[in-house]
This record gives sequence, structure tokens and C-alpha cells, in this order.
Amino acid sequence: DIHMTQSPSSLSASVGDRVTMTCRASQSVRNYLYWYQQKPGNAPKLLIYVASYLESGVPSRFSGSGSGTDFTLTISNLQPDDFATYYCQQAYSGPPTFGGGTKVEIK
Amino acid sequence: EVQLLESGGGLVQPGGSLRLSCAASGFTFSYYDMTWVRQIPGRGLESVSVISASGSNAYYADSVKGRFTISRDNSRNMVHLQMSSLRVEDTAVYYCANSKGGYDSWSGYSDYWGQGTLLTVSS
Repeated sequence: DIHMTQSPSSLSASVGDRVTMTCRASQSVRNYLYWYQQKPGNAPKLLIYVASYLESGVPSRFSGSGSGTDFTLTISNLQPDDFATYYCQQAYSGPPTFGGGTKVEIK
Repeated sequence: EVQLLESGGGLVQPGGSLRLSCAASGFTFSYYDMTWVRQIPGRGLESVSVISASGSNAYYADSVKGRFTISRDNSRNMVHLQMSSLRVEDTAVYYCANSKGGYDSWSGYSDYWGQGTLLTVSS
């Protein structure tokens, strides 16, 4: 199975900050990398597909980059609604696997 | 509006069995592979099983292989997860979701998710 590692596991930030988190795959997943946002008590919500494409309806302050084994999710101008946990997932080789998550907390 | 509504969760003793169901609406169900993803409360996400759109192929995580069976009824827009020989470590919220766009036949990502149903395995 492909192992996905996210860092940091948590971070504290303020409204208006630019936030960056990373996801590393144990082997190349090409660009089959997806980012989700999850809030407590809710299902994950797809934000980014194929590493860098913004899902419909997702604010443009979210952006994704990377290919191969190293990927980044950036939130520019952090908003109160963005405080949540973010997961990456690879869809290159089954079983699909998720990273451990990055929790974005209010500073 | 896309809806996935899970049901069937609850409390079961170790070694017991339970069937989860997921009712889909608002999209062409028979076009999509479907998956069950679980989340231990406060922890990360684990793909448990995937079933192909036709129902002819199914894949399982090693942790549930031989104990869980996924099935679907395209005439009723339903997907099920039959779970047996349940263990304490199966305790989790189980999400039903679609699965699409993967490179190989059992990888995929999800843009439709249910709200989840909680399975608790405890004596």
C-alpha cells in the first residue's frame, strides 16, 4: 500500500494568514492526489482534485500543487470557515490511502 | 441534489454481525463505483471496500478481507456492507461515498459522501 504522510499534524494560524501544508507519498502517485476538508461531525469535502484543480464551488483561496511524491495545499487569506482538518488521498494504486491529516486551529 | 444516506450502524458485541446500507439519490448511481470509508473517532480515514459500477468486482482492505462483503442493488440505488466477525478495532464512523477517477481499478476519489453511521463494537 502507498503510505501518505502529512505535515505538520497541526498548525495555529490567524484569519488572513497564508497557510501551507504538505503531503508526501511513499512512492510516486503521479498527479492522482486529492485534498479534502473535514469539520467535526461532518463528512470530508473534496477541495482539490488531480493535485491542482479546484473543485466546483471551492473558494479560489485554496490551491494545490505538486506531482510524483510531494504535494502542497495552500490557503491564502485564511478565513474563519477554513478552520478544519485537511486530508490528502492518493488514487493511483489501490487501496486508496489517506494521510493522517493537518488540523488548522485558531491562533 | 445528491444524497447518500447510510443506515444500520449501532452497538454490537465482538464476534457479531451487522449490515450497513446506503441509499443514493440525485445522481446516476449505476454509473459509479461505490466505496465505504471508515474513520475511528478523532482519527484518520481508511478505505474499507470498493465495488465496481456493475457490481462484478469488489476490493477489500486487508484489515477486513474475509469478514466484510460489499454488494449493491442498482435497481434500488443501494449499496450494502455486510460485516461479520466484528472486532473492537472495527469501531468507527462508516461513510458511503462514490469512487471515481482512479488510475487503477480500485483506487478512486470521492466527491459525494454520506453523513456517516457509527458502528461500535463492544462487550
